[in-house]
Amino acid sequence: GQQLNQSPQSMFIQEGEDVSMNCTSSSIFNTWLWYKQDPGEGPVLLIALYKAGELTSNGRLTAQFGTTRKDSFLNISASIPSDVGIYFCAGQSGNKLVFGAGTILRVKS
Amino acid sequence: NAGVMQNPRHLVRRRGQEARLRCSPVKGHSHVYWYRQLPEEGLKFMVYLQKENIIDESGMPKERFSAEFPKEGPSILRIQQVVRGDSAAYFCASLGLGAEAFFGQGTRLTVV
Repeated sequence: GQQLNQSPQSMFIQEGEDVSMNCTSSSIFNTWLWYKQDPGEGPVLLIALYKAGELTSNGRLTAQFGTTRKDSFLNISASIPSDVGIYFCAGQSGNKLVFGAGTILRVKS
Repeated sequence: NAGVMQNPRHLVRRRGQEARLRCSPVKGHSHVYWYRQLPEEGLKFMVYLQKENIIDESGMPKERFSAEFPKEGPSILRIQQVVRGDSAAYFCASLGLGAEAFFGQGTRLTVV
């Protein structure tokens, strides 16, 4: 079945640093989505990408839809303590919305 | 949660009982996903439903699990004869027109 490889699994960074995480797949997706999940809560949609090569920003967050449609990255600039959480990528194709295993972000203040 | 309501938030069941999890999607949305999440793990697809129709249930266990999304009312995920291994967080997501999926806050099922 379709699988997404998300990396890194976890990150421990200094407040103010930039963060980068990515997802790759052997399958092509029509849409890439990035979510953040806080403990005890549901995932919250951060950015949605619909076209190959598309680069989209949401505040300090920037995400890109890879040109091969098989990968995407998320950058967070100037991280702050509230960025802590688990970030998931998701690829959508047909009926399936497939999730990566998540990147755990820990910020040292 | 963009208007996706799940209840209950927490559910405790004894082994062998039935668990019923409810999901009301964003008003006007007619498609929902159900996902299961174990602690420290990602979201595993279970089922994709349209009102009165199961579109894709390839992620559902063959036994004890069922899902429905009636014309009126919430989507229901039903787990019969629960076992300890069913303990997990169950999330539903409501699908908008632009393929954006909005999640509820989840139901945390604990089987004792």
